[in-house]
Amino acid sequence: SQTIHQWPATLVQPVGSPLSLECTVEGTSNPNLYWYRQAAGRGLQLLFYSVGIGQISSEVPQNLSASRPQDRQFILSSKKLLLSDSGFYLCAWSVYGDTIYFGEGSWLTVV
Amino acid sequence: DAKTTQPTSMDCAEGRAANLPCNHSTISGNEYVYWYRQIHSQGPQYIIHGLKNNETNEMASLIITEDRKSSTLILPHATLRDTAVYYCIVSPRLGGSQGNLIFGKGTKLSVKP
Repeated sequence: SQTIHQWPATLVQPVGSPLSLECTVEGTSNPNLYWYRQAAGRGLQLLFYSVGIGQISSEVPQNLSASRPQDRQFILSSKKLLLSDSGFYLCAWSVYGDTIYFGEGSWLTVV
Repeated sequence: DAKTTQPTSMDCAEGRAANLPCNHSTISGNEYVYWYRQIHSQGPQYIIHGLKNNETNEMASLIITEDRKSSTLILPHATLRDTAVYYCIVSPRLGGSQGNLIFGKGTKLSVKP
C-alpha cells in the first residue's frame, strides 16, 4: 500500500532563517505531488504541485520554493523565513484520476 | 469560498450510525462530491467520493440525491476514533494540476460513549 511521510513534524525557526520540509511517498510510481498550507480554522491553500521530476508549478507567489529531485521526493524550502510563513504545511500525493492523500503535516512557527 | 453548506456540529452515540448532511446546490455537472475528515493537528484523511451514484467503501457510504444538490455521508457504526471535523467538498476530479481543495468550516462530529 502507498504511504506518505513528511518531516519534521514541528519546528520553530527564527525570522530570516532557512527552511526545508521534506516529503516522500512509497508504494507508487510517478505520483503527482503537492504542498499545501492550512491557516488556523481555514481551508487548504495549494502552494505547489509537481507532475514529475524537476517539474514544479506554483499556485501563488510567495517566499517559498519547491523542488522534486527524485520521483517520490518533494521538498519545500525558503531562504529567509517571514513571520507570515507560520502555519500547518501538508504534503500530498495523487495518481491522476484518483483522489488526493495527505501526509501527517508539519507545524512551522516562525518567531 | 466553499461551495458547500454543512452543520457546524453534530453528536452521535458510539455504535450508532452517524449521518452527516451536506448541501451543494450550485454543483456543476463535472464536479464530484468528496469527503475528508481531519482530526486535530493531523492531515486530512480521504473518506469517499462520488459523482451521482451512491458509493460505499470500508469507511463509509455516500448518498447523493438525484438532483445532486445535496448528499449524506454515513458512518455505519461510529466509534470514538471517528470524532473529527468532516469536510464536504465539490470539485472536478482531483489529480494532476487539479489540486485545489476548498474546505469550508466542516462539521465537528463528536462521538460520545
